[in-house]
Amino acid sequence: GAVVSQHPSRVICKSGTSVKIECRSLDFQATTMFWYRQFPKQSLMLMATSNEGSKATYEQGVEKDKFLINHASLTLSTLTVTSAHPEDSSFYICSAGISNTGELFFGEGSRLTVL
Amino acid sequence: GENVEQHPSTLSVQEGDSAVIKCTYSDSASNYFPWYKQELGKRPQLIIDIRSNVGEKKDQRIAVTLNKTAKHFSLHITETQPEDSAVYFCAASIGNTGNQFYFGTGTSLTVIP
Repeated sequence: GAVVSQHPSRVICKSGTSVKIECRSLDFQATTMFWYRQFPKQSLMLMATSNEGSKATYEQGVEKDKFLINHASLTLSTLTVTSAHPEDSSFYICSAGISNTGELFFGEGSRLTVL
Repeated sequence: GENVEQHPSTLSVQEGDSAVIKCTYSDSASNYFPWYKQELGKRPQLIIDIRSNVGEKKDQRIAVTLNKTAKHFSLHITETQPEDSAVYFCAASIGNTGNQFYFGTGTSLTVIP
């Protein structure tokens, strides 16, 4: 199946710093990618839809200035957590799909810990 | 918007028994229903899916059934093994466009050896 790669898998940062997470579709082009946040033992919460060449669409309650999304190419979307605080600590996962099949493929996830 | 409910939230079965997880959805335009398995700290992996023009699909020990009229679909795992232990998520497409989904709340399955 299609491959989506996410980096870094783990990151620890100090409060107030910014962290960038990359999501790449390795063997297909993705005009749309999705970013999720997952708390322990909970479901995937869609944060935003990343659109290549245009602004991301954020879900209600997600601060767009806090979670900056850039989708500059058909194979790369980035999520930047700005001025991170301990409450931003979470597991962040991206996904991308093959539009003509509807199938969705997930990145490995990035565990962010803010000290 | 779409509302996907998933039950049960936790499920424990003895090895060799069957496990059934049920989901309901509200958007009648949803036409694609994947199931994902997520092991701790890892990415969700697609295990089986079903489209709205099919009522049942089977892949070895895993099967999915869909009742469009009632708007519910179920995952069936037979002859469970300890390696089936994971969190399972159902999902329903948002309408019939693109790759946007609403996810169920997840079921933590434990298979007891």
